[in-house]
Amino acid sequence: DAGVIQSPRHEVTEMGQEVTLRCKPISGHDYLFWYRQTMMRGLELLIYFNNNVPIDDSGMPEDRFSAKMPNASFSTLKIQPSEPRDSAVYFCASSLPGKGTEAFFGQGTRLTVV
Amino acid sequence: QKEVEQNSGPLSVPEGAIASLNCTYSDRVSQSFFWYRQYSGKSPELIMSIYSNGDKEDGRFTAQLNKASQYVSLLIRDSQPSDSATYLCAVRNTGRRALTFGSGTRLQVQP
Repeated sequence: DAGVIQSPRHEVTEMGQEVTLRCKPISGHDYLFWYRQTMMRGLELLIYFNNNVPIDDSGMPEDRFSAKMPNASFSTLKIQPSEPRDSAVYFCASSLPGKGTEAFFGQGTRLTVV
Repeated sequence: QKEVEQNSGPLSVPEGAIASLNCTYSDRVSQSFFWYRQYSGKSPELIMSIYSNGDKEDGRFTAQLNKASQYVSLLIRDSQPSDSATYLCAVRNTGRRALTFGSGTRLQVQP
């Protein structure tokens, strides 16, 4: 398996523009997570899905952020409108169910909002 | 109080020495504990997981868990320069699938 695949790897956009980040989880994994990493706040959970259903979105910073998982092999994280403080590395991760199963991370999308 | 706390470092050790990385967590119902390694500009990758009190060894790595003290540690024996990275402690709580991460400890292994 190719692992968790994210696109794009890098995104530079102007403040106010819409940004869409994409993720393909590992086949067969029924949990999908979106994390954001910054120097100041570290790695923080934004939202996670189980079998395509959002379970916990309490980490989504505000209404400008939205996430969808239309099927088991695809998820998007959208920011509209984007702001400079959204600049961060966004990671997608997936896992199997079960106590001991780890989360596998994608390579991340480095977002810069200017 | 943060849910998962780590010393940010950097922790500097000479090549061949033992590196000791520590983590404390606040939620007593935490059930699963993970150590991830993250190289600069890369994504986190799992090194060790531990669920029961005591030690768990895997090659040069040993994870230690003390639930009474709410403490998890990672020992790296015979440290190599290639071990230089940020080590993230992560906790999974009962009833919540997602991992909560500490801010990470930066390890530098000096040749």
